[in-house]
Amino acid sequence: AQSVAQPEDQVNVAEGNPLTVKCTYSVSGNPYLFWYVQYPNRGLQFLLKYITGDNLVKGSYGFEAEFNKSQTSFHLKKPSALVSDSALYFCAVRDTNSGYALNFGKGTSLLVTP
Amino acid sequence: DGGITQSPKYLFRKEGQNVTLSCEQNLNHDAMYWYRQDPGQGLRLIYYSQIVNDFQKGDIAEGYSVSREKKESFPLTVTSAQKNPTAFYLCASSKFTGGADTGELFFGEGSRLTVL
Repeated sequence: AQSVAQPEDQVNVAEGNPLTVKCTYSVSGNPYLFWYVQYPNRGLQFLLKYITGDNLVKGSYGFEAEFNKSQTSFHLKKPSALVSDSALYFCAVRDTNSGYALNFGKGTSLLVTP
Repeated sequence: DGGITQSPKYLFRKEGQNVTLSCEQNLNHDAMYWYRQDPGQGLRLIYYSQIVNDFQKGDIAEGYSVSREKKESFPLTVTSAQKNPTAFYLCASSKFTGGADTGELFFGEGSRLTVL
């Protein structure tokens, strides 16, 4: 089965510092990986995706993610965190057994303090 | 503006009652999905549909039913058989091209169901 794991329930970072939210994947074949963000009581917003090509993927709001095949990781990064980045972040992988649905990690809560 | 509309945003239900959550999209997307979100558990797939008049069970379909009579609409019914229905329900859609770069999922704003 295609799955992702987010090892951290919460990440705390000071405003202006770089942030990393970790994700590892377990798939058979080529992975199609995604990052989403969710604000309280809202739907999920798409940030970026890796399908193929360059291992460094740039997305919305200054976020980027690095695909690392040897470490089976797809960590989300941002060079300088903003307080408004505080939210719940989900890593996801396409599930080839369920059409084009996504399998999500359990989420990582990011708290950026002033 | 194109998007996905879920209604109602908040819903209260008594035990033993069925309730239907609405999901409408005007993105001309082929595929639609229902997910359930519980704190600390991420999102779990309930049902999905790739074309009209066809749908498939996801990981946690028991106690739920869906229909896909129109491309734009994918309502979810939470039946009395669902033992723990209190949750946040999210509907999503995607363009099903069949190719490798089939697009990402677009989500609605969610419906929060509370069973009293």
